[in-house]
Amino acid sequence: GQSLEQPSEVTAVEGAIVQINCTYQTSGFYGLSWYQQHDGGAPTFLSYNALDGLEETGRFSSFLSRSDSYGYLLLQELQMKDSASYFCAVSLATGGFKTIFGAGTRLFVKA
Amino acid sequence: NAGVTQTPKFRILKIGQSMTLQCTQDMNHNYMYWYRQDPGMGLKLIYYSVGAGITDKGEVPNGYNVSRSTTEDFPLRLELAAPSQTSVYFCASSYSSRGDGYTFGSGTRLTVV
Repeated sequence: GQSLEQPSEVTAVEGAIVQINCTYQTSGFYGLSWYQQHDGGAPTFLSYNALDGLEETGRFSSFLSRSDSYGYLLLQELQMKDSASYFCAVSLATGGFKTIFGAGTRLFVKA
Repeated sequence: NAGVTQTPKFRILKIGQSMTLQCTQDMNHNYMYWYRQDPGMGLKLIYYSVGAGITDKGEVPNGYNVSRSTTEDFPLRLELAAPSQTSVYFCASSYSSRGDGYTFGSGTRLTVV
């Protein structure tokens, strides 16, 4: 089967850098995505890695290593508004068009 | 541009009742999805559709049904509601099947009592 593992919680200070890791077990997938969700809100798309390496979008970067079955989301210059849950997700290459989400990492940003 | 619109936002059902959660998108996306999210958990895929007339089961389809008669609409039907179906339901759409760029609706918070 498929599974994704993320830390349940991460705490960081405003202005700092934080890395949220995601390890996965899947037989094949198109890419690794990251989504942000504020309390009571809907998930919003942040980043996508189809190939190994780093993708940068403003203060957010995402990394994928298929050989290590590992990816991470890097948030720089943390702001209070970054306090939210972050989900990694993989789109499976077999068994139909399914995207499977991890359980999420809750990020607390402190002043 | 409304994106993905879900109705209702909140609903309380009694055990055994049925209801339909509505989802409409105006981005001409072929791919549409229904997820449920239990408190403190990730999203579980219920059903998805790759285009009008084509639907398939996700991870947790039991107790639900879907239809896709148009590109825009993807309603989710709950038959014989059970307390285990208490959850937040999100509809999403995307232009590709790769997993990136999903647009989610604002969600329907359902309580079954």
